[in-house]
Amino acid sequence: GAVVSQHPSWVICKSGTSVKIECRSLDFQATTMFWYRQFPKQSLMLMATSNEGSKATYEQGVEKDKFLINHASLTLSTLTVTSAHPEDSSFYICSARDWSGDPYEQYFGPGTRLTVT
Amino acid sequence: TQLLEQSPQFLSIQEGENLTVYCNSSSVFSSLQWYRQEPGEGPVLLVTVVTGGEVKKLKRLTFQFGDARKDSSLHITAAQTGDTGLYLCAGDGIHGSGNTGKLIFGQGTTLQVKP
Repeated sequence: GAVVSQHPSWVICKSGTSVKIECRSLDFQATTMFWYRQFPKQSLMLMATSNEGSKATYEQGVEKDKFLINHASLTLSTLTVTSAHPEDSSFYICSARDWSGDPYEQYFGPGTRLTVT
Repeated sequence: TQLLEQSPQFLSIQEGENLTVYCNSSSVFSSLQWYRQEPGEGPVLLVTVVTGGEVKKLKRLTFQFGDARKDSSLHITAAQTGDTGLYLCAGDGIHGSGNTGKLIFGQGTTLQVKP
């Protein structure tokens, strides 16, 4: 199956600082990637859709100025958590859809654990 | 309002038993995917179903998509301790709008298989 990587796998930062998380599709081109967050013992919640070469589309209730998304190439999307606060601590997961298959399949990265102290 | 209702949310069984996890919605989906997730890792795709009434088998796992494409089930035969994990269903193309990649997830089922 297709592979999606994320970096870093975990990060600890101080309140008020910014953190960048990278998501890469390793063996296919992804014009669209998705960012999710997951709290302990809960399911995944979609935050935003990252579109290559254009602005991201955010889900209702997600602050676009706080969660900056950049999708500069067909294999890389980045999520920057700006001015992080402890309530931003969560498991962030990206996914990318491989449209070449039938049916289309979506693959998830291994996730990034963010802890804001 | 939860668009995809997954049940049960927790399941603890003995090795060798069978189990079924359900994923129900009042909305039609263009496709539905099942994932398994282990703690601290991303979800791993198990199967994608797209046709109403479709049945797919993956070794001891059987997946079914309802005729109306509103519900799905995952059946595990003779569960093993290695099956322990969080199982997630996710729908794409709500209301039959076509696959977009924007997945709506169920709440998840935490399965514990005891030796």
